[in-house]
Amino acid sequence: QKEVEQDPGPLSVPEGAIVSLNCTYSNSAFQYFMWYRQYSRKGPELLMYTYSSGNKEDGRFTAQVDKSSKYISLFIRDSQPSDSATYLCAMSVVIIQGAQKLVFGQGTRLTINP
Amino acid sequence: NAGVTQTPKFRVLKTGQSMTLLCAQDMNHEYMYWYRQDPGMGLRLIHYSVGEGTTAKGEVPDGYNVSRLKKQNFLLGLESAAPSQTSVYFCASSKGQGVSTEAFFGQGTRLTVV
Repeated sequence: QKEVEQDPGPLSVPEGAIVSLNCTYSNSAFQYFMWYRQYSRKGPELLMYTYSSGNKEDGRFTAQVDKSSKYISLFIRDSQPSDSATYLCAMSVVIIQGAQKLVFGQGTRLTINP
Repeated sequence: NAGVTQTPKFRVLKTGQSMTLLCAQDMNHEYMYWYRQDPGMGLRLIHYSVGEGTTAKGEVPDGYNVSRLKKQNFLLGLESAAPSQTSVYFCASSKGQGVSTEAFFGQGTRLTVV
């Protein structure tokens, strides 16, 4: 069983829709929960991160963590064609001397149709 | 504003050939990482470094070697390439001041081993 599970999609929605992306995890040692966005043929870039259970909002994006259920979500409101990308959830744990190991989900490919 | 730069961007190797992937960062980050990204697998950590002159194994280190002779550079070597090493390789760096620090990724190296 993978430590982090993410539905790879693909997911296709019309412009303006609310998008919900989800990941589950099994390792209770994970401390930080992140969402990375990866455009085609580019490297991942950090979108949001959170530490505690609850919601964190940044503009049209909301990250939600439920540690008791080992479940995290990313919501995108008023989705735009420019949001079309692969979204990767990632979870971090210290490996040595503060260096963090990021464990990634498989990524969900999202397309927003105009 | 270079950030993390990977060289080369594309490469085709024959089975048994060797090559070195170069990662350079200009953010004075202590920690550097090499990941590989394969369809359906997410990103997996190959090797990492917590500072100049140090390296350590990640979760999929077999067939790879690394060196960090200078703080800004992290090299990934393939001594005898195999088709199973066909992948997209990403280098990342972070300040390392706690688990929450952002990892910055390069644009990736697409390697095909035939």
